[in-house]
Amino acid sequence: QVHLVQSGAEVKKPGASVRVSCKTSGYSFNTYFITWVRQAPGQGLEWMGWITTHNGKTNYAQKLQGRVTMTTDTSTSTAYMELRRLRSDDTAVYYCARQLAAAVGADHWGQGTLVTVSS
Amino acid sequence: DIQMTQSPSSLSASVGDRVTITCRASLSISTFLNWYQQKPGKAPKLLIYAASTLQSGVPSRFSGSGSGTDFTLTINSLQPEDFATYFCQQTYNSPQTFGQGTKVDVK
Repeated sequence: QVHLVQSGAEVKKPGASVRVSCKTSGYSFNTYFITWVRQAPGQGLEWMGWITTHNGKTNYAQKLQGRVTMTTDTSTSTAYMELRRLRSDDTAVYYCARQLAAAVGADHWGQGTLVTVSS
Repeated sequence: DIQMTQSPSSLSASVGDRVTITCRASLSISTFLNWYQQKPGKAPKLLIYAASTLQSGVPSRFSGSGSGTDFTLTINSLQPEDFATYFCQQTYNSPQTFGQGTKVDVK
């Protein structure tokens, strides 16, 4: 059974950094991309980017370039998303999801991690 | 960026109704279009990919159609568990933008 389990909720001050983990199981980690999507309270879905797990290639949303880093640890089948220089409008639920290829949908998702940015 | 526009933003329906949601892309995306369902406090669930292919395990009352710029999600005979918000997403290029969502609630 496929599972993506994310780390717990975080509260951060503006300017700080946050790292969210996404531990996967039940499938071959290197076969799928990991995509990150966020959702601000009461808002829609925002694509953040993806990482290829077999070679670590990344594709980030331009608006997050320079602040976001996605990585993977193949030894533990875990993906990570770090967001730096946090602002209040980064407050959101952050989701990881697996995607067979860049052009297809994400078929299994993590449970989401609430990141709150507040002074 | 490709803009994805869904309509309507919300609709009210009854169990057994046929529901249609449309999604328009700001430029042609071929069939690189996915549909997701999201319930409050839950992660999105993939319903349809490549515009018309039903994801494994999704009931056949869900169907998708379209290509180019205009796409449709249809729910035949709406069931109680289908009251949710639906999002389209293009995966033609980056950023892989989502529509703003369509909330389906009880009439």
